[in-house]
Amino acid sequence: AQSVTQLGSHVSVSEGALVLLRCNYSSSVPPYLFWYVQYPNQGLQLLLKYTSAATLVKGINGFEAEFKKSETSFHLTKPSAHMSDAAEYFCAVSDLSNTGKLIFGQGTTLQVKP
Amino acid sequence: NAGVTQTPKFQVLKTGQSMTLQCAQDMNHNSMYWYRQDPGMGLRLIYYSASEGTTDKGEVPNGYNVSRLNKREFSLRLESAAPSQTSVYFCASSVRALSYEQYFGPGTRLTVT
Repeated sequence: AQSVTQLGSHVSVSEGALVLLRCNYSSSVPPYLFWYVQYPNQGLQLLLKYTSAATLVKGINGFEAEFKKSETSFHLTKPSAHMSDAAEYFCAVSDLSNTGKLIFGQGTTLQVKP
Repeated sequence: NAGVTQTPKFQVLKTGQSMTLQCAQDMNHNSMYWYRQDPGMGLRLIYYSASEGTTDKGEVPNGYNVSRLNKREFSLRLESAAPSQTSVYFCASSVRALSYEQYFGPGTRLTVT
């Protein structure tokens, strides 16, 4: 069965610093992978997705993620943090059934300090 | 387009009361989902509907029922609310099951006292 682990429930960076949010997955076959962002009191918004077309995926708001099969990882990065990036971030993996179900990680809260 | 809408936004129930959470999407999506979000646990799937006319249990279905009223609407019912059901509930939809990318509603914050 597929599963997702996000390392670190809270990450704090200074404005302008590199953002690195870690996600490792478990899947018996090449998965579809996603990063979602949730701003306070809002629903989840898709940041980017990996569907096997390219290992480096670019998303909205300057975020990108690299799929590394050998490390079973899909870490999210942004070169320079902005105050508006403060939010909760979720990594998710598809369960590869024809139902479209997603399995979510526990989430990482990103704090951006001025 | 409104996308995915949910009503109500907030609700307080007493233990044992019942209520229905409503969800509608205007994107002509085939698949719809109900999740609950609890601190430190991410999102957990309650029920889903891969297509109109079908519903299936997810990871945490106990205490809930669903109805896929038509292609647009997917409701979640709590027959006898319990404090353990205090949570934020999200509805989501996707074009079809194999597309996987899901679009989320704004959520319903439910408190059961």
